[in-house]
Amino acid sequence: EPEVTQTPSHQVTQMGQEVILRCVPISNHLYFYWYRQILGQKVEFLVSFYNNEISEKSEIFDDQFSVERPDGSNFTLKIRSTKLEDSAMYFCASSPDPVGNEQFFGPGTRLTVL
Amino acid sequence: DQQVKQNSPSLSVQEGRISILNCDYTNSMFDYFLWYKKYPAEGPTFLISISSIKDKNEDGRFTVFLNKSAKHLSLHIVPSQPGDSAVYFCAAIKPRGAQKLVFGQGTRLTINP
Repeated sequence: EPEVTQTPSHQVTQMGQEVILRCVPISNHLYFYWYRQILGQKVEFLVSFYNNEISEKSEIFDDQFSVERPDGSNFTLKIRSTKLEDSAMYFCASSPDPVGNEQFFGPGTRLTVL
Repeated sequence: DQQVKQNSPSLSVQEGRISILNCDYTNSMFDYFLWYKKYPAEGPTFLISISSIKDKNEDGRFTVFLNKSAKHLSLHIVPSQPGDSAVYFCAAIKPRGAQKLVFGQGTRLTINP
């Protein structure tokens, strides 16, 4: 069964460093998303991406964040200068289209900022 | 942001009995609702969904009920099995074309043998 994959599973970084989280969405899906879950809190929407551009973003997704689909398979989330409060699980998701709305999630990347 | 609320952080049910997980929402613009299940160290897995034009959707052991007037939905699992032990998230989405899933806090379900 096709699935969303994410690398790395765990990333440790120093405050102020740049990190890139990688995702490979399900191959025939057209819509891509990033969510995060800070420990003990809700899963929160960050950004959605369609047709090579951001289609919706939350107030969390400020200028420190960016997303890119550098080739036909990868979808990345970059945090330019990490802060302690960026420590969280980051989930990538994809869906074939927004109608029906079922989004399929990857296993997540645990980001730890020291 | 408390638009979607799951007021029970945990629930314990005996194997073979019915598990009922509840979810309330405040935003009447939501028109599609989903339940996800999450095991530790994994991402949320889609379980079942319901459109606001329906009041019930069933898929095997899983049934979701929607009460729009009360802004309440529930997930019924019957019979409950040990493999159902996980965290269950309710999520909602605004009219089609919007892409932001709004999640509840989750309910940890434990099925006891």
